[in-house]
Amino acid sequence: NAGVTQTPKFRILKIGQSMTLQCTQDMNHNYMYWYRQDPGMGLKLIYYSVGAGITDKGEVPNGYNVSRSTTEDFPLRLELAAPSQTSVYFCATQGGLGSPLHFGNGTRLTVT
Amino acid sequence: RKEVEQDPGPFNVPEGATVAFNCTYSNSASQSFFWYRQDCRKEPKLLMSVYSSGNEDGRFTAQLNRASQYISLLIRDSKLSDSATYLCVVSLGGYQKVTFGTGTKLQVIP
Repeated sequence: NAGVTQTPKFRILKIGQSMTLQCTQDMNHNYMYWYRQDPGMGLKLIYYSVGAGITDKGEVPNGYNVSRSTTEDFPLRLELAAPSQTSVYFCATQGGLGSPLHFGNGTRLTVT
Repeated sequence: RKEVEQDPGPFNVPEGATVAFNCTYSNSASQSFFWYRQDCRKEPKLLMSVYSSGNEDGRFTAQLNRASQYISLLIRDSKLSDSATYLCVVSLGGYQKVTFGTGTKLQVIP
């Protein structure tokens, strides 16, 4: 049982490049989240989804886009990467409201 | 006032010691509470949910005090492997209202 799978694990981007961070889950959870965590800081919510076809902005959505065409997949798109987007990105799922979140292993992104 | 507040630490304790962390939350309508553990450069992992009556899992005990709006985590007989950052998580029950504290760092010393 893989749970929540994120790819890639690491990536280095140049300023202005774009990329997609992949997140796939096999837990059949409707709720999915993208967080970023800067060094020594807490988690900040970027985007979330309550089900296929439904997404909404979190606390820090600028510079990112998401889509949710299936229950399993919730990719995060970075357009025009900036150094401020250097961070660790975590995808998480939730089985129901009030349930705990389950995290993927994270993607460590550096923009130079 | 922050929605969820934790003492960042670090808490440096010897092996075998008992250590306790508190976490305060600002919204009295909060419904679900959790403790997560995060190792350096890794994803947060659920340590335990926190129930109104308090709950225990081996060496770990979690308590909820709704009147004073705080939750606590007690670790008994600390092991070197307990060294990590412990995150307090509070949920209003809605899908976007899951708030993470910034964490309390624990270092268990031989």
